[in-house]
Amino acid sequence: RKEVEQDPGPFNVPEGATVAFNCTYSNSASQSFFWYRQDCRKEPKLLMSVYSSGNEDGRFTAQLNRASQYISLLIRDSKLSDSATYLCVVNPPGRRALTFGSGTRLQVQP
Amino acid sequence: DVKVTQSSRYLVKRTGEKVFLECVQDMDHENMFWYRQDPGLGLRLIYFSYDVKMKEKGDIPEGYSVSREKKERFSLILESASTNQTSMYLCASGRRYEQYFGPGTRLTVT
Repeated sequence: RKEVEQDPGPFNVPEGATVAFNCTYSNSASQSFFWYRQDCRKEPKLLMSVYSSGNEDGRFTAQLNRASQYISLLIRDSKLSDSATYLCVVNPPGRRALTFGSGTRLQVQP
Repeated sequence: DVKVTQSSRYLVKRTGEKVFLECVQDMDHENMFWYRQDPGLGLRLIYFSYDVKMKEKGDIPEGYSVSREKKERFSLILESASTNQTSMYLCASGRRYEQYFGPGTRLTVT
């Protein structure tokens, strides 16, 4: 089983829609979780951290469900500029480095 | 603004050649990382370094080595390039959880 699993998509949504992605992780002792964003042919960039209590940044909300071992990213009022691949990132215990999921592609259409 | 630069955007090498990929960061970060990114497999960690002359294997170190002689510079070496090392190579630096990526080097081994 992969350490971090994501639905590759693509998720095709109209502008203004609300869209949500989930990501599951295998190690229940993982402590730190993040979402990174990668535009086409660009490098990944940190979008937001995911805290136990959830995290909201404008139109973006990240949630953590420890019992079911998944994190989610909700995007409200989608913009064309939100089109990108969203990478779920986990820091498993006892590991100095992050583990990246293979990403979920979002395409927002006019 | 954090800047991570990589020596080449595109590189074409022949099987068996020794290949050097260089990465330089300007933010005095302790940690530096080398990943490769392949469709469907996501970002996979090759090696990372948490201090000068210190290195640790990632998930797929076979066929690669690294060098960190100065804090700002982290080099990835392919001792004898093979066609299965054709990939996008991304360098990153940063604190443990927030990583800043370079633009990537697309390496083709023929």
